[in-house]
Amino acid sequence: DAMVIQNPRYQVTQFGKPVTLSCSQTLNHNVMYWYQQKSSQAPKLLFHYYDKDFNNEADTPDNFQSRRPNTSFCFLDIRSPGLGDAAMYLCATSREIGGSYEQYFGPGTRLTVT
Amino acid sequence: DAKTTQPPSMDCAEGRAANLPCNHSTISGNEYVYWYRQIHSQGPQYIIHGLKNNETNEMASLIITEDRKSSTLILPHATLRDTAVYYCIVRAYNAGNMLTFGGGTRLMVKP
Repeated sequence: DAMVIQNPRYQVTQFGKPVTLSCSQTLNHNVMYWYQQKSSQAPKLLFHYYDKDFNNEADTPDNFQSRRPNTSFCFLDIRSPGLGDAAMYLCATSREIGGSYEQYFGPGTRLTVT
Repeated sequence: DAKTTQPPSMDCAEGRAANLPCNHSTISGNEYVYWYRQIHSQGPQYIIHGLKNNETNEMASLIITEDRKSSTLILPHATLRDTAVYYCIVRAYNAGNMLTFGGGTRLMVKP
């Protein structure tokens, strides 16, 4: 089945040690998103790619970066994780920007910072 | 995007219809109503969306009032697997695909 895949499902990193989370999709969608979801909170959009165009949300910290080397893959890099960055990180895709296209979410990567 | 208001939690008996309300009194003419749900420890899942007509798919029905200021998501025969947080989101057709999640309703389906 076509889907959004996130690896790993659980990631533990040390305070200040860079970490990369990965997302891949077999849907051939143009748009890929990264959301952060802290405990007992709703998901919050960090940024998205429309094809190769990167779009950062205004309040996303500089500590968070993203790469999309091709249509299928997208990475979330956290340069210096702090304790406050512990969260579930969700990747999502949609066929296009605009219109009424729904988003397809991956299962998430739960990040622990020690 | 317009703000939505949902009750924080609801219970439903297994096999009965679950009716989840959402208020979006400031909705604009070009804004759709979307529903997603998130089962514990999983990513959100799209359920249904609509503009002004009622919509139905294999998962649920969406009833939008004539003035579009509120809507109701109906799960016709709730099962234990429908226990989740349900998010009602309003988004403009031409405003990109970004979703702004509110508090949602935690639906507990009980045996």
